[in-house]
This record gives sequence, C-alpha cells and structure tokens, in this order.
Amino acid sequence: DIQMTQSPSSLYASVGDRVTITCRASRDISTWLAWYQQKPGKAPKALVYAASSLPSGVPSRFSGSGSGTDFTLTISSLQPEDFATYYCHQYNSNPSTFGQGTKLQIK
Amino acid sequence: EVQLLESGGGLVQPGGSLRLSCAASGFTFFDSFALTWVRQAPGKGLEWVSEISGGGESTYYADSVKGRFTVSRDNSKNTVYLQMSSLRAEDTAVYYCAKGSGYSNIWFTNWGQGTLVTVSS
Repeated sequence: DIQMTQSPSSLYASVGDRVTITCRASRDISTWLAWYQQKPGKAPKALVYAASSLPSGVPSRFSGSGSGTDFTLTISSLQPEDFATYYCHQYNSNPSTFGQGTKLQIK
Repeated sequence: EVQLLESGGGLVQPGGSLRLSCAASGFTFFDSFALTWVRQAPGKGLEWVSEISGGGESTYYADSVKGRFTVSRDNSKNTVYLQMSSLRAEDTAVYYCAKGSGYSNIWFTNWGQGTLVTVSS
C-alpha cells in the first residue's frame, strides 16, 4: 500500500497569512493526488485534484503543486472560513490512501 | 446538484451486521462513475473502505474489512450498498459515500453527509 505522510500535523496561523502543507507519498504516484478540506461535523470537500487542478467553485487562493512523491497545498491569504483540517489523498492505485490530516487553527 | 444520501447506520452489537445505503441524485450516467465508502472513526482521520466500479464488475476493499464487508450497487435505483458483517468495535465510525471522478483512478468529487455506525454491547 502507498503511505501518505502529511506535515505538519497541526498549524497555527492568522487571517491573511500564506500557508503551505506538504504531503509525501511512499512511492511515485505521478500526479494522482487530491486535497480535501473538512470542517468539524461536516463531510470533506475537494479542493484540488490531479495535484494542481481546482474543481469548479474552489477559490483561487488555494493552489496545489508537485508530482512523483512530493506535493504541496498552499493557501495564499488565509480567510476565516479556511480554518479546518486538510487531507491529501492518493488515487494512483487501490487501496486509495489518505494522509493523516493537518489541522489548521487560528493563532 | 449532486446529492448523496446515506442511511442505515445505527447501534449494533459486536459480531452483528448492518447494511448501509447511499442514494445518489443530481447527475446522469450513474453507471459511469465508481463509488466509494470512506469512514472516519471519532476524532480520527479518513480511511478508505471500499470501492465499486461503475458497472459493478470490480470491487476493492481495505485489508481491515476484507472478508467482512461487501459493496454492491443497483444502477436501476442509483444506489450503492455496503453490507457489513462480523462487526467489531474498531468499525465504529461515520461512514461516507463518495462519488468518483470517473470509472477508475478516482478522486472524490462529492460526498454524502455520512451515517454513524456504533459497534458496542
């Protein structure tokens, strides 16, 4: 199985900050990587797919990059609604696997 | 608007069984999309559980549920099911149904609201 390792596990930031979350795959997954945002008590929501593509409706302050084994999710200017938990997800091969999550909290 | 509505969760004793359903609406060509079950134990992260291809001919399972859970779909009803048996305390979680982006190598475009399964005596 492909292991996904996210860092950091938690992160404190302020509104307006630029934030970067990283995700590393245990082997090459090309660009078969997605990012999701989850707020407490809610279902996850897709933010990025194919490592760097944004689904319709996702604000442009979110961006993704990377290929192979190393990936990043960047939020260019944090908004109050962005404080949530973020997960990376590899879909190169089954079993599909998620990172352990990064909890983004208000400083 | 795509909607996925899970049902069937509840309290069950260890060793018991439960069947979850996920009714999909708001998109066409239901049989063109793989569907997946993802679970989240209380206070924990996301765990992929099972996937079924659009036509239902291919199914995949996490090692943690293999041999105990069975995924199926009825494309005439736009519904996917997860039959769970020999349930254990560690199966306690919110179970989400998620729509795949296509037929294979899927990311999850839409998620249901989840249904809680509690395994306890």
